[in-house]
Amino acid sequence: DIQMTQSPSSVSASVGDRVTITCRASQGISSCLAWYQQKPGRAPKLLIYRASSLQSGVPSRFSGSESGTDFTLTISSLQPEDFATYYCQQCKSFPLTFGGGTKLEIK
Amino acid sequence: EVQLVESGGGLVQPGGSLRLSCEASGFMFSTYWMSWVRQAPGKGLEWVANIKQDGSGTNYVDSVKGRFTISRDNAKKSLFLQMNSLRAEDTAVYHCASTDNWYDIGAFDLWGQGTMVTVSS
Repeated sequence: DIQMTQSPSSVSASVGDRVTITCRASQGISSCLAWYQQKPGRAPKLLIYRASSLQSGVPSRFSGSESGTDFTLTISSLQPEDFATYYCQQCKSFPLTFGGGTKLEIK
Repeated sequence: EVQLVESGGGLVQPGGSLRLSCEASGFMFSTYWMSWVRQAPGKGLEWVANIKQDGSGTNYVDSVKGRFTISRDNAKKSLFLQMNSLRAEDTAVYHCASTDNWYDIGAFDLWGQGTMVTVSS
């Protein structure tokens, strides 16, 4: 199985800050990575697919990048509605696997 | 409105069975690749199973193989998860998740709100 190691597990930041979240795959996954945002009691929402493609309707302050087996989600200028938990997910092979999540909290 | 609505969750004893349903509306269900994804209380997301558009192919996470069965009825626009031999560690909110474009995006762009399954004596 492909393991997805996400870091940090939590981060505190302020409105307007730039935040980066990282996901490392245990083997090559050929850009087959998605990022989701989840708020308490809500279903996850797709933000980024194929490592760097922005899902329709998602603000452009969200971006994704990759370097080998390391993937990064960047929020360029945090807005109040961005405080949530973020997950990565690989689609290279079954079983599909998610990272452990990063909780983004208000400082 | 495009939506997925799950039902069938509840409290069940260890070793028991439960059948979850996910009803689709507002889109052409038969063209969508469907999955179940679960989330234990206070924990992260775990993919459980998927089924192709015509039901011809399924995959499962190892922990549920032989106990859970995913199926679909395209005429009724519904997805199902038959869960047998339930264990305490199956306790979670179960979401159905989907996309009509799996091979291009490899991600789920439509989710239901979930149904809670609690396995306890």
